[in-house]
Amino acid sequence: GAVVSQHPSWVICKSGTSVKIECRSLDFQATTMFWYRQFPKKSLMLMATSNEGSKATYEQGVEKDKFLINHASLTLSTLTVTSAHPEDSSFYICSARAGLNPTGELFFGEGSRLTVL
Amino acid sequence: AQSVTQLDSHVSVSEGTPVLLRCNYSSSYSPSLFWYVQHPNKGLQLLLKYTSAATLVKGINGFEAEFKKSETSFHLTKPSAHMSDAAEYFCVPNFGNEKLTFGTGTRLTIIP
Repeated sequence: GAVVSQHPSWVICKSGTSVKIECRSLDFQATTMFWYRQFPKKSLMLMATSNEGSKATYEQGVEKDKFLINHASLTLSTLTVTSAHPEDSSFYICSARAGLNPTGELFFGEGSRLTVL
Repeated sequence: AQSVTQLDSHVSVSEGTPVLLRCNYSSSYSPSLFWYVQHPNKGLQLLLKYTSAATLVKGINGFEAEFKKSETSFHLTKPSAHMSDAAEYFCVPNFGNEKLTFGTGTRLTIIP
């Protein structure tokens, strides 16, 4: 099946710094990618929809200036957590859909665990 | 309103016994339905999907699910649990737009 790669898998940073997480579709082109946040023992919360070549669409309650999303190519979307604080510590997961069918299967990255000290 | 409900937040079964993870959806029409599995500190892996073809869907690792429109259900089953099945399971309907709606998840514990 299609592969989505996330990097880094783990990252620890100091409070106030920015962290960038990459999401790549390795063997397919993804017009649309999604970013989720997952708290311990909780479900996935959709943060934003990332569209190649256009601005991301953020879900209600997600700070656009805090979580910067860039989808510069059909195989790469990045999430930058700006001025990170301990409350931003979480597991971030991206997903991508192969093809244009909006009801098609989503392929997920392995996730990135962010710990802000 | 469109929604999904995973009826059990936690299910424990003994190794070798059947597994049943329940999922019900609420919608005015039949959505596409997916079951994903998540092992600790990992991303999600697709187990199986229903897209309006056969109502009994077979997936990976011996799992299967049956779509029952009359009951608006898509329960996940496996005849015999294995230790490696211990994970979090998500029932995910797609109501016709590009976003997915995640259930709250069911944590499956396998007792040796």
